[in-house]
Amino acid sequence: DVKVTQSSRYLVKRTGEKVFLECVQDMDHENMFWYRQDPGLGLRLIYFSYDVKMKEKGDIPEGYSVSREKKERFSLILESASTNQTSMYLCASSLLGQGSTGELFFGEGSRLTVL
Amino acid sequence: GESVGLHLPTLSVQEGDNSIINCAYSNSASDYFIWYKQESGKGPQFIIDIRSNMDKRQGQRVTVLLNKTVKHLSLQIAATQPGDSAVYFCAENKPHPNAGGTSYGKLTFGQGTILTVHP
Repeated sequence: DVKVTQSSRYLVKRTGEKVFLECVQDMDHENMFWYRQDPGLGLRLIYFSYDVKMKEKGDIPEGYSVSREKKERFSLILESASTNQTSMYLCASSLLGQGSTGELFFGEGSRLTVL
Repeated sequence: GESVGLHLPTLSVQEGDNSIINCAYSNSASDYFIWYKQESGKGPQFIIDIRSNMDKRQGQRVTVLLNKTVKHLSLQIAATQPGDSAVYFCAENKPHPNAGGTSYGKLTFGQGTILTVHP
């Protein structure tokens, strides 16, 4: 089975702290994504990457950056956490290329609270 | 359909009834659609998908209908069970030119619908 693992299920940070959210997938997928999920707003795409060292902004990239140094790992970075970044963060991966379905495989989520 | 603001649409059904969850998508260029189920405390899980050259696809107890004319997607669950209680999201795929040419790009999700199944 595809497994997408997010390193932390729950984090509590203070305003201004730097936060790293780590995600690892074991299916050799090219595409990786970071979404945030807030009540009533669904899942909103922050950043995605379709190859190592490649990244593209999603719909809400402000206040975030990402790193994809290895194919299996995609990190989300909050350089200076703010209270409006309190949210559930979901990492996902998918196959690239003709014949792939585009189906996203999600991790269990990381719930971040910024005080 | 999808709501605006903090309140998700909700659907309450009795066990054994059929459920229909609706979704309006935004982009006429979207070529692929997926329904996801998210149980409390878990990440979304794939239920069923459909490509834009189809108007219906059936799985086990689930059927997805696509109406491109009005940009509407629906998920039908037959003989709904308490284990089907969850938040259901539709998602549309817009082809991304840098992600393999004509292959699939990023998904855009709807706001979700809460399904509650009463025993």
